[in-house]
Amino acid sequence: EAGVTQFPSHSVIEKGQTVTLRCDPISGHDNLYWYRRVMGKEIKFLLHFVKESKQDESGMPNNRFLAERTGGTYSTLKVQPAELEDSGVYFCASSPPVLWANVLTFGAGSRLTVL
Amino acid sequence: GENVEQHPSTLSVQEGDSAVIKCTYSDSASNYFPWYKQELGKRPQLIIDIRSNVGEKKDQRIAVTLNKTAKHFSLHITETQPEDSAVYFCAASRRPSNFGNEKLTFGTGTRLTIIP
Repeated sequence: EAGVTQFPSHSVIEKGQTVTLRCDPISGHDNLYWYRRVMGKEIKFLLHFVKESKQDESGMPNNRFLAERTGGTYSTLKVQPAELEDSGVYFCASSPPVLWANVLTFGAGSRLTVL
Repeated sequence: GENVEQHPSTLSVQEGDSAVIKCTYSDSASNYFPWYKQELGKRPQLIIDIRSNVGEKKDQRIAVTLNKTAKHFSLHITETQPEDSAVYFCAASRRPSNFGNEKLTFGTGTRLTIIP
């Protein structure tokens, strides 16, 4: 079974540019989460999709971040325009429906460096 | 919301010795406590988890203990080996429901180094 895949693994952009991160969850996993880890800090929740619906987006830092999951399969996270403080590792995770929804499988992360 | 604190931030132990990492949480409704291990450049992987209906769970050299009254839980690794070197994260969440409030809240991580 394929795991959670993320692309790109590393992106270096300049302040003000746009970056789009992609996540392909495990097939059949209705739940898809985005998390971010800034150097040395906790893995911080950004948002949660159940299928194509945003269940909880309370962790999204501001309106420069836009997440989508059209069709309930893969998800994208767009940062536009990027700021220096957006640098970090963005993790995607997925989990099965309800009963095991909090048993997450993570992707390897997309490291974003904003210069 | 939930707040999880994790200590220590770094830990070095001699190979063969034991390592203990401790976490506290704030939300008394939390009832699921997983531990993730992240090796350098790799994805965080679930290594053990515990639910609030038990006080201890063991899997070979790793064990987790939970004290619901004090709201703290700990990871114990015995007979440490070089491959145990990694960053370990604790987390807490509520019971999954149709309301979707089961998101994991993570601690800040512990970098464990095993000295050969």
